[in-house]
Amino acid sequence: GAGVSQSPSNKVTEKGKDVELRCDPISGHTALYWYRQRLGQGLEFLIYFQGNSAPDKSGLPSDRFSAERTGESVSTLTIQRTQQEDSAVYLCASSLGGVRQPQHFGDGTRLSIL
Amino acid sequence: SQQGEEDPQALSIQEGENATMNCSYKTSINNLQWYRQNSGRGLVHLILIRSNEREKHSGRLRVTLDTSKKSSSLLITASRAADTASYFCATHTSGAGSYQLTFGKGTKLSVIP
Repeated sequence: GAGVSQSPSNKVTEKGKDVELRCDPISGHTALYWYRQRLGQGLEFLIYFQGNSAPDKSGLPSDRFSAERTGESVSTLTIQRTQQEDSAVYLCASSLGGVRQPQHFGDGTRLSIL
Repeated sequence: SQQGEEDPQALSIQEGENATMNCSYKTSINNLQWYRQNSGRGLVHLILIRSNEREKHSGRLRVTLDTSKKSSSLLITASRAADTASYFCATHTSGAGSYQLTFGKGTKLSVIP
C-alpha cells in the first residue's frame, strides 16, 4: 500500500497474555519507529530501526517489551505478560532516514488490557 | 521524556478565525516539526523548520522559531472545520540520538462551523 499499515487496529486481551503488533512501513523507507500514546498524551518513543544498524531500544519501558524488524520491511512489537498500564495506542512510523525527513505514521493499534 | 510542551492544551475558535498554538522545548535542537492528529488516526506531518530558520510558510500554516527562547508557534489562518484535530510539536535534539523525535502533549483544536 501507499502508507504505513498497522495490524490489528484494535486488540483486547487479558492481563498476563502476550501480544504481538505488526507494522508494514512504506516501501523504501529505511527508518522505522515505534511509539506509545496514552490517552490524551503525546507520543513516547519506544524503539528505532535504521537499515541494518543495531536498533535503538532506549525507549522500551521494560524487558517485557521487544521488537524486531526483518531487513527494511515488516516490524513486530511484542509485549509479554501484559499489564493494565500497557493499555495505549501503539503507533508505528517510517521515514527515508535522517533527521530532516518527515515521519509517516500508521493509524496505530489500540491495545486494551482487561 | 517530554521535550516540547504545547499551549494552550485546548483551543476552541469559530470557523474563519486564526488559531495560534505555542510550543516550548528545553534542549538545543536540530529542527522542530509540527504534526496533526485527527481523532483515532495516526499523525500527519505538517511542516519542518530548521534551527537556523526563523519562519516558514506552507499554505495556511505559518511557523516561527525562536531558538533564544526555545519556543515555536504554529499559526493556522482562516480556519476551517476540517482543521479540528490535535496538533503536536516534535523536536530533533542536536547531537547523539538526534534521529529521535520528542513530542509534546499537544493542543486540541476545535473549529466551530
